[in-house]
Order: sequence, then C-alpha cells, then structure tokens
Amino acid sequence: GAVVSQHPSWVICKSGTSVKIECRSLDFQATTMFWYRQFPKQSLMLMATSNEGSKATYEQGVEKDKFLINHASLTLSTLTVTSAHPEDSSFYICSARDFSSYEQYFGPGTRLTVT
Amino acid sequence: AQSVTQLDSQVPVFEEAPVELRCNYSSSVSVYLFWYVQYPNQGLQLLLKYLSGSTLVESINGFEAEFNKSQTSFHLRKPSVHISDTAEYFCAVRRNTGFQKLVFGTGTRLLVSP
Repeated sequence: GAVVSQHPSWVICKSGTSVKIECRSLDFQATTMFWYRQFPKQSLMLMATSNEGSKATYEQGVEKDKFLINHASLTLSTLTVTSAHPEDSSFYICSARDFSSYEQYFGPGTRLTVT
Repeated sequence: AQSVTQLDSQVPVFEEAPVELRCNYSSSVSVYLFWYVQYPNQGLQLLLKYLSGSTLVESINGFEAEFNKSQTSFHLRKPSVHISDTAEYFCAVRRNTGFQKLVFGTGTRLLVSP
C-alpha cells in the first residue's frame, strides 16, 4: 500500500532556532501534500496545502513566514518552523494525495518540542 | 463549507462488547465520508470510506459504518471490540468534486478495558 514517511519522528530544539520536517511519498507521486498540526487530545488542524512546483496555500491564521513549506518534487515536501517558540510545540502530520487515485495518505507524524 | 460533529469525546467499553461511535456532518453539497484511526503517537490510518453505492461500508478488522443521508450521519460500529481497538477515531468529510480538503471532526477516544 501507499506509504508516507516523515523525518524526524521527534525533535527537540531550543527556542529561536529553526527546524525542518520532511515528508515523503515512498511509492507514489503526490502533486498535493497537506500539513496538519495536532494539539494533545484534539483534532487535526490543516495548516497549509502545497502543490508541487508552486507556493503553498495557507489556512487562515497560519503564519506563512513562520511555517515555510516547500514542495520541490512529486515525492517530497518540507515544513520549516522558523524561530521556534515553546508554543510551536506540537505534533505535525503531513499527508500526501496520490496523483493517480486522489487517495490521501498520512505520515506517522513528527513531535516537535521547543525548549 | 462542510463541518463534522463527533459528540462523544470518549467512549469506554468492555472487551467483546459492541460499540458505536457517532458522526454527523453538515454540507450543502455531496460529500465523501471517511473514518480514520490514530494509535498513540502515530499518524492517521484510513479505516473505511463511503464514496458512492452501498451505504454500508466495512473495514477488514470488523468495523462498519452506514451512510444515512437523511440524518446526515456516518456512525461507526463494531459488534465486538478488542483491547487493541483502543485508539482515537476521527470522522472526516470531503466534497466529492475537485481537489477538496478533508474536514475532520474532533475525534472520539475509544477505551477498551478487559
């Protein structure tokens, strides 16, 4: 079946530094990838939608300069949390939509802790 | 716009008992419906989906859900749960035209105890 990987699975960083999270579709091409944020015991909040080769579309209230998204290829999207603060600590989940089937598959998530 | 309501934030049941996780949605257009399961510290896995055709859909691990258009519901059921079914369950909808985003409910935590 279709697999989406995320790296790293968890990361701890100091306040003020930047962190990059990678999302890869391993056995399919994804023209569209989604980035979600999940707070403890809450639902997934869509942060942005990225289409390969173009700028990401951010949801209302999400700072595009803080959460930089790059979707440079059909199998890779990255989320960079710039100048991270403790309130950015969360579980970040990416999802990739299969170009051929339109099915959406989710990665295992990345837990970010900012100290 | 679409919205999803999962009224039960937590459902405790005993092993081998039946369970129903409720999901209601609101949409002015036709939608696809999904149930996802999330185990601790993991991403989401698709459990089952309704796209069209038979209103009763089943998963490989014994869950089923029935699309009820008149009641705008897509409740998830299992006749006999296992300890391993303990997880968070999310209902989601998506417009059935074009490239539309998933809209998730707030989730229901299923707690199965021996």
